[in-house]
Amino acid sequence: DTGVSQDPRHKITKRGQNVTFRCDPISEHNRLYWYRQTLGQGPEFLTYFQNEAQLEKSRLLSDRFSAERPKGSFSTLEIQRTEQGDSAMYLCASSSGHPNEKLFFGSGTQLSVL
Amino acid sequence: GDSVTQMEGPVTLSEEAFLTINCTYTATGYPSLFWYVQYPGEGLQLLLKATKADDKGSNKGFEATYRKETTSFHLEKGSVQVSDSAVYFCALSPNSGGYQKVTFGIGTKLQVIP
Repeated sequence: DTGVSQDPRHKITKRGQNVTFRCDPISEHNRLYWYRQTLGQGPEFLTYFQNEAQLEKSRLLSDRFSAERPKGSFSTLEIQRTEQGDSAMYLCASSSGHPNEKLFFGSGTQLSVL
Repeated sequence: GDSVTQMEGPVTLSEEAFLTINCTYTATGYPSLFWYVQYPGEGLQLLLKATKADDKGSNKGFEATYRKETTSFHLEKGSVQVSDSAVYFCALSPNSGGYQKVTFGIGTKLQVIP
């Protein structure tokens, strides 16, 4: 079990640039989630995939954000035209889909927009 | 919508002291309740959970009881250790919708001093 891995661990970018993050879930997990965490706050739900289908998006996810999960394996989260308010820790989690199954989280990608 | 309220930290305790971190929730129906823990430099991981009223979740000496009448899920440990220093998140997930859209509290930082 290699766990959930996220890449990169840290990303520093200038305002207006595009960034893309990658998440590799636990291999047998068909459910994948993206959360965002800002300093002093708990994680906030962004979006959810079951296999390759994106089944829910939070209203926090503006049209500058897009997430994909081709082939139902790894996922990418892209932010276009980054703003300083996008600075946060972006967390990925996966689960097997059993009722009340726990989420397995990655260590996150820390985004800093200058 | 669903929400979780937990006591703000930081909480500083001496080793072997008794720990209580309060958590209350607002949700429709009968959610599942969780405590997640985030150790320094690591991803969130599930500490314990309870899926119905009066259930007690326990792990690593920590306990929490699902109290529907008071909509609470307080975390307790009889004797904390330095290694328990971490951020603790109370969370809930509705038992509907078929997937775990978890709502987190803001987190409580615990520091245990020798």
